[in-house]
Amino acid sequence: GENVEQHPSTLSVQEGDSAVIKCTYSDSASNYFPWYKQELGKRPQLIIDIRSNVGEKKDQRIAVTLNKTAKHFSLHITETQPEDSAVYFCAASTIQGAQKLVFGQGTRLTINP
Amino acid sequence: DTAVSQTPKYLVTQMGNDKSIKCEQNLGHDTMYWYKQDSKKFLKIMFSYNNKELIINETVPNRFSPKSPDKAHLNLHINSLELGDSAVYFCASSSDWRNYGYTFGSGTRLTVV
Repeated sequence: GENVEQHPSTLSVQEGDSAVIKCTYSDSASNYFPWYKQELGKRPQLIIDIRSNVGEKKDQRIAVTLNKTAKHFSLHITETQPEDSAVYFCAASTIQGAQKLVFGQGTRLTINP
Repeated sequence: DTAVSQTPKYLVTQMGNDKSIKCEQNLGHDTMYWYKQDSKKFLKIMFSYNNKELIINETVPNRFSPKSPDKAHLNLHINSLELGDSAVYFCASSSDWRNYGYTFGSGTRLTVV
């Protein structure tokens, strides 16, 4: 089955700097890659996603890139702000009768003022 | 107004007890899920239902039994609770069984003592 590896597990950056989180997946049939943000004690919330027919997608300060050949995808956050502090999860979607999201292990991002 | 609602939010119970968690979505989605988030924040799928039909059943002890009375509801019953069942359980739903992001419920923090 699908396996998603996410790095780093923790990331600390200065406010205003950029943050990059990287994921790799194993199943070449996966074709949908969402990113979720989970604040302390809250539910995971979808922040951006990308499909396999697209190499890059941007939404204001966040962007996601996908390299299908290498089975890599990354989340880029620019001009980081304190409210960006959270745990971020990447995921890859496979179809096993229904959509099945397999999540990475999560990255705890801390923005230092 | 809550799109995916779970009850209860917190559940503290003794080993050996049986408990249920309820989930309801008002988004008109066809597919619902149960995920378990352990103490290390790892999100792992347990079950998936599409229009009341069990689609995905991961390697979960048979003490866990999901039930879907209709496509808007997915409940989780756990028998003979063990210490290792302590976790946050998230219900989620998606609009289509092909590659759309999930909407998560607020989670149920289960503590077994």
